[in-house]
Amino acid sequence: AQKITQTQPGMFVQEKEAVTLDCTYDTSDPSYGLFWYKQPSSGEMIFLIYQGSYDQQNATEGRYSLNFQKARKSANLVISASQLGDSAMYFCAMREGQGSYKLIFGSGTRLLVRP
Amino acid sequence: EAGVAQSPRYKIIEKRQSVAFWCNPISGHATLYWYQQILGQGPKLLIQFQNNGVVDDSQLPKDRFSAERLKGVDSTLKIQPAKLEDSAVYLCASSLDPDTQYFGPGTRLTVL
Repeated sequence: AQKITQTQPGMFVQEKEAVTLDCTYDTSDPSYGLFWYKQPSSGEMIFLIYQGSYDQQNATEGRYSLNFQKARKSANLVISASQLGDSAMYFCAMREGQGSYKLIFGSGTRLLVRP
Repeated sequence: EAGVAQSPRYKIIEKRQSVAFWCNPISGHATLYWYQQILGQGPKLLIQFQNNGVVDDSQLPKDRFSAERLKGVDSTLKIQPAKLEDSAVYLCASSLDPDTQYFGPGTRLTVL
């Protein structure tokens, strides 16, 4: 069965520094997609970045990059130059199979950016 | 472009009462989802619609939860009767393709 694991319940980072949020996944399907979402205290889930299982390059979106290590089944999120507004919950999620829309989420990591 | 709209934002009810949540997806998005997010956990898919048909409702507690999307646009999720463990945030999302789901602000339900 597919599974997403986020082992860091909480993380601190100093403003302007980089931080890595860990995510490992488990699936037997060769076709899958990996996602990161940000959830501020307001509750809305904000899409950050996507990586397909067949993508050769690591995905990047502005200050966000996804460190995709297929053999290790890991999809860590790297946030560069942290800002105070980055303080939020971060969720890793996986979609399994081509054409599948269902997302399985991890338990999340709470990031706190210190000034 | 307007985002996913949900109402109400907050709801407090007593156990055994019924409650309904409403969602209006982004215009043109054929796929609509309802997720349940219990405090301290990630969201869990309850039901997925493609237009007005159900694609996946395997994790919907059908003895008390129901959902409909009659005209393939907006959707309603109902709980009847509510239990204490139904206290959660109910998130609605919509998408055009499998790689991007846009979420609404959620409805925070408290069951006393």
